[in-house]
Amino acid sequence: DTAVSQTPKYLVTQMGNDKSIKCEQNLGHDTMYWYKQDSKKFLKIMFSYNNKELIINETVPNRFSPKSPDKAHLNLHINSLELGDSAVYFCASSQGNTGGRETQYFGPGTRLLVL
Amino acid sequence: GDSVTQMEGPVTLSEEAFLTINCTYTATGYPSLFWYVQYPGEGLQLLLKATKADDKGSNKGFEATYRKETTSFHLEKGSVQVSDSAVYFCALSDTGRRALTFGSGTRLQVQP
Repeated sequence: DTAVSQTPKYLVTQMGNDKSIKCEQNLGHDTMYWYKQDSKKFLKIMFSYNNKELIINETVPNRFSPKSPDKAHLNLHINSLELGDSAVYFCASSQGNTGGRETQYFGPGTRLLVL
Repeated sequence: GDSVTQMEGPVTLSEEAFLTINCTYTATGYPSLFWYVQYPGEGLQLLLKATKADDKGSNKGFEATYRKETTSFHLEKGSVQVSDSAVYFCALSDTGRRALTFGSGTRLQVQP
């Protein structure tokens, strides 16, 4: 059973399009995250949700909008895609019961290429 | 704010060589420390972790000790294999902040 899953795994699209990435976790965790990994492999937090409530929103363009319909899902919608959005996007989850110090479990990543 | 610094790569070793990847951190609270590994084309996997000073995390022959006095969490392995070739990330998760802060990653290449 896959603990944290993401769809799609690969996404190739044109500039200006709108796209969504979906994430699901079956670990019963309360907290979910989106991270962005750039071409130099650097990883940075974008958003964090705890019990469907947004708790971290880093300096991310408002073209990016996360949505958490329930504790097990956290989706990422991106409007008006730009070349610089090309990256690997990772979803992660954690139990959320130790004030932020607990282990996070990552999905396989979504490789987005904007042409 | 919090930050993690790890040694630049790539690190190229021959099989069975000793590995050390240095990692130092700054944090405002009392963080947990992690090493994650990313194999080519794959996602991040937790390799090991430590949650308090002097704790040693270990897994698959890799070890790292949480050193509060030197704010370090260096990764070591006594004898690397070709299958260990990957990118290794040091990370911390600080009290009250629900996000990991990552180092820049260190690529390890092990040659037969």
